[in-house]
Amino acid sequence: QKEVEQNSGPLSVPEGAIASLNCTYSDRGSQSFFWYRQYSGKSPELIMFIYSNGDKEDGRFTAQLNKASQYVSLLIRDSQPSDSATYLCAVNWYNFNKFYFGSGTKLNVKP
Amino acid sequence: DVKVTQSSRYLVKRTGEKVFLECVQDMDHENMFWYRQDPGLGLRLIYFSYDVKMKEKGDIPEGYSVSREKKERFSLILESASTNQTSMYLCASSEGQGEWDYGYTFGSGTRLTVV
Repeated sequence: QKEVEQNSGPLSVPEGAIASLNCTYSDRGSQSFFWYRQYSGKSPELIMFIYSNGDKEDGRFTAQLNKASQYVSLLIRDSQPSDSATYLCAVNWYNFNKFYFGSGTKLNVKP
Repeated sequence: DVKVTQSSRYLVKRTGEKVFLECVQDMDHENMFWYRQDPGLGLRLIYFSYDVKMKEKGDIPEGYSVSREKKERFSLILESASTNQTSMYLCASSEGQGEWDYGYTFGSGTRLTVV
């Protein structure tokens, strides 16, 4: 059974702070790693993805991947109240185009 | 923008009914998926398809079947609805090929209540 683990939260940060969201996965065969944002009552939307070890930046978002530690994280700089949502980590195993999802971390950004 | 359209936003069905959930995507994606999302359990894969007429079981296929007669349409069928199938159902599509994948685009979801 493939496992993707996330702290359910809620994670509360003040507006303007850095939010750090973490995800661990069970299988070293994992190929690609995605972060989705899901607002309450809405479907998930893709934020960014990362394939290689290291950091990948996209605007206020940075994804960090460490395959040796089986760990992927998402940093949100200058957090805004509009960032308040549940963030889902998704992991793709081998060459199969299907993902396993964590149960999500709820982020609250307080004005 | 890729659009994935699910035919119903909210649905209420009776126990034992046969239920059809429809999903259509307009970007010629090869891959289509059905997930259900429940509080505390996250998204769980029911069925997926990499091509027309092709289907593969996901992690929780029991009580469900699927149909993909055309590339753009992927239907989820609850053969005999039960109360434990009350859930949010999410359809997704992707254009990933082999080693690389570009992530899913999700439909807006169907919240199904079985009474």
